[in-house]
Amino acid sequence: GAGVSQSPRYKVTKRGQDVALRCDPISGHVSLYWYRQALGQGPEFLTYFNYEAQQDKSGLPNDRFSAERPEGSISTLTIQRTEQRDSAMYRCASSMGRNTEAFFGQGTRLTVV
Amino acid sequence: GNSVTQMEGPVTLSEEAFLTINCTYTATGYPSLFWYVQYPGEGLQLLLKATKADDKGSNKGFEATYRKETTSFHLEKGSVQVSDSAVYFCALSPQTGANNLFFGTGTRLTVIP
Repeated sequence: GAGVSQSPRYKVTKRGQDVALRCDPISGHVSLYWYRQALGQGPEFLTYFNYEAQQDKSGLPNDRFSAERPEGSISTLTIQRTEQRDSAMYRCASSMGRNTEAFFGQGTRLTVV
Repeated sequence: GNSVTQMEGPVTLSEEAFLTINCTYTATGYPSLFWYVQYPGEGLQLLLKATKADDKGSNKGFEATYRKETTSFHLEKGSVQVSDSAVYFCALSPQTGANNLFFGTGTRLTVIP
């Protein structure tokens, strides 16, 4: 696609529910990143894929968070048993590879009530 | 570890004023340094970057110089416009590793006519 596309743009969910956030990177981009941004803060790294391989998941806060990119393109970030503290903007970025510009999507704003 | 410390905002300037947003970093080795901008209602966009010491990144009248001796990457613009109103994020990408970005907390700039 022309840019990184994230869906949904906004998600309100009840505490305890599972949510799945989708990222469709720029076509041909090898690397894909997930970040979380709390209000008034900068984005914080969650996880990184190179093609379909999850290379680094050191930023995932706990085992309720997981991500996949099964065919090396679209990625899904899943949060199980959501808690209010999970409320944030979740941002996806893609790039052609190391040391190349990362392009960000518009993000998904998650609100857990 | 890797971290970015950014001047706190918000910053309010009159049109045509001089802008400086301070950014210092902590990193091992030789990271790449970036400024990202987020305009209202939009995603993060790369504004400029520098990949080695003494490099100057520039774009849209903004400049920043990679200063290894002071571990700084301050953003400057000689004459701001109302359209520059946005949130600015300083970020670094480590020399080694996943190429993920470490962001500062962001500085909100408002330019008034």
